[in-house]
Amino acid sequence: GAVVSQHPSWVICKSGTSVKIECRSLDFQATTMFWYRQFPKQSLMLMATSNEGSKATYEQGVEKDKFLINHASLTLSTLTVTSAHPEDSSFYICSAGQIHNSPLHFGNGTRLTVT
Amino acid sequence: DQQVKQNSPSLSVQEGRISILNCDYTNSMFDYFLWYKKYPAEGPTFLISISSIKDKNEDGRFTVFLNKSAKHLSLHIVPSQPGDSAVYFCAARDNNAGNMLTFGGGTRLMVKP
Repeated sequence: GAVVSQHPSWVICKSGTSVKIECRSLDFQATTMFWYRQFPKQSLMLMATSNEGSKATYEQGVEKDKFLINHASLTLSTLTVTSAHPEDSSFYICSAGQIHNSPLHFGNGTRLTVT
Repeated sequence: DQQVKQNSPSLSVQEGRISILNCDYTNSMFDYFLWYKKYPAEGPTFLISISSIKDKNEDGRFTVFLNKSAKHLSLHIVPSQPGDSAVYFCAARDNNAGNMLTFGGGTRLMVKP
């Protein structure tokens, strides 16, 4: 069964609104979770590392004020796309792992469409 | 600079034959490698992994080979089945940099019945 749950699986929003995506680790605690973005026919690009109890670490080129990450508990990280624009339309995927040298497990992704 | 590369964007194989997917990396600090399978509009699913202290890991129809000197790994699927048709991503991790994965560009495998 799924070990990482992501919600919602798809969302359509109007330009200028904000969208929150949740990522939950099931049956294990994750001090670190990762948010990826995938453009059509491209690879997964790491956006940021979500750290429980502290600030997220953003990859170069990712606007931290636009993509707000909150890791409020050991099983939940949220990504909020603020003031969304059509160019933010993409497939967002979160991941989490249990221990070192164990695979990261991925949520099922969220398809965001901004109109 | 892409640290993990999958040079073949697509691969077509007949059912029952072997599928070989290749991956090259440049960062010598990577010490853990994984293969993921992905269907459209879904998250990647973990397939198989290998630690840098090994050169082979096998799990059923899936075998991963690692050539550290060449900084190359490959995934063998035998026999290939139509249900294996998906995009396969190679990923690598530097354990000194935490749990973060660096992905290759993916290879779309099509297994023809």
